[in-house]
Amino acid sequence: DSGVTQTPKHLITATGQRVTLRCSPRSGDLSVYWYQQSLDQGLQFLIQYYNGEERAKGNILERFSAQQFPDLHSELNLSSLELGDSALYFCASSATGGAGSGANVLTFGAGSRLTVL
Amino acid sequence: AQSVTQLDSHVSVSEGTPVLLRCNYSSSYSPSLFWYVQHPNKGLQLLLKYTSAATLVKGINGFEAEFKKSETSFHLTKPSAHMSDAAEYFCVVSETSNDMRFGAGTRLTVKP
Repeated sequence: DSGVTQTPKHLITATGQRVTLRCSPRSGDLSVYWYQQSLDQGLQFLIQYYNGEERAKGNILERFSAQQFPDLHSELNLSSLELGDSALYFCASSATGGAGSGANVLTFGAGSRLTVL
Repeated sequence: AQSVTQLDSHVSVSEGTPVLLRCNYSSSYSPSLFWYVQHPNKGLQLLLKYTSAATLVKGINGFEAEFKKSETSFHLTKPSAHMSDAAEYFCVVSETSNDMRFGAGTRLTVKP
């Protein structure tokens, strides 16, 4: 157990629907990162939050949004789902990640597998 | 801009033989470099990291990697493969905490 908890583990839904993926970071970690892993795109960075504020944005679609709450857990919202959104979504956390901080070790959760039918 | 290239998408070795997974990077600065491993249906786990200290880095499970600035390489090695090493391996380059670039991954197969 890495200490990063993701729910749900598996999710099957239909096109056009909206889902929410949840992540609880490792105790003491302030940063949360979201990644999408698919067969054709590999591991893609979506977004990072640090202590409740957005720190960096990657290849995140406008249909996707995220937030980090005061208790530091994070949610990734995926809306108007398309078949191509089927993927494994990983959350990772790190101790720091604020402005000016150097490279951090990321601790990954086990992922949420989303299947869009 | 930083980038990372894993030179082999798939490596197959026999149990007990050496493992070599190749990674080249590009960076304008002195980056940090990592290797992560992903076992089937699992999250990624840190194997080892290089952060400008010793150029030969030892990680978990007998893996090690050598940072070679002149060759811009950070290859992962293990003297003797075990069946449990079969997994996907990712090389990562990072200049700051919010800019980590993952390689495409190398799938390691270990034959009995």
